[in-house]
Amino acid sequence: GIQVEQSPPDLILQEGANSTLRCNFSDSVNNLQWFHQNPWGQLINLFYIPSGTKQNGRLSATTVATERYSLLYISSSQTTDSGVYFCAVRTLTASKLTFGTGTRLQVTL
Amino acid sequence: ETGVTQSPTHLIKTRGQQVTLRCSSQSGHNTVSWYQQALGQGPQFIFQYYREEENGRGNFPPRFSGLQFPNYSSELNVNALELDDSALYLCASSSDRGTYNEQFFGPGTRLTVL
Repeated sequence: GIQVEQSPPDLILQEGANSTLRCNFSDSVNNLQWFHQNPWGQLINLFYIPSGTKQNGRLSATTVATERYSLLYISSSQTTDSGVYFCAVRTLTASKLTFGTGTRLQVTL
Repeated sequence: ETGVTQSPTHLIKTRGQQVTLRCSSQSGHNTVSWYQQALGQGPQFIFQYYREEENGRGNFPPRFSGLQFPNYSSELNVNALELDDSALYLCASSSDRGTYNEQFFGPGTRLTVL
């Protein structure tokens, strides 16, 4: 099956810093989503981005489908950005989302 | 627009028991997927239901079963519970119209098996 790897696995930032999270995948996809999982376990949709670039406030994402990677940018980080960030992909023939390994982000004061 | 809801929030069972988890899909969505998330790992796909039929299954034994009802809500049933079944169970809904791939998740049910 498809392999999804995220980097870095862990990230500690000071409030106000910027960061880039990366997601590499091993096969063609028709769906790529970025999620933020809060401390209570809720998966919050950040982006649905199978290709191209999107921005939502301090967050933006870019997916280069031909090169099989996606990037999530967080600017001016805040303590509320802490949590685990997952990318998840769906291949052309699958009904499921396959999740990456996650990036655990901690934003400190 | 009502989001995805799940019940119960938490559940404690003992080995060998059976459990039923429930999920109500987001308004306008007709597809429900279930995922298991063990501590420290990403969610793993259990199965998906579309128009009351199973539409894909992950690598889970038959004691994991499900249903989807005409109103698109869904149940996940687990028989003969094992200690390793302790996890966060997440339900996601999606639609086969528009950006039908995008899945939206409920808050999860945290199951502890003693």
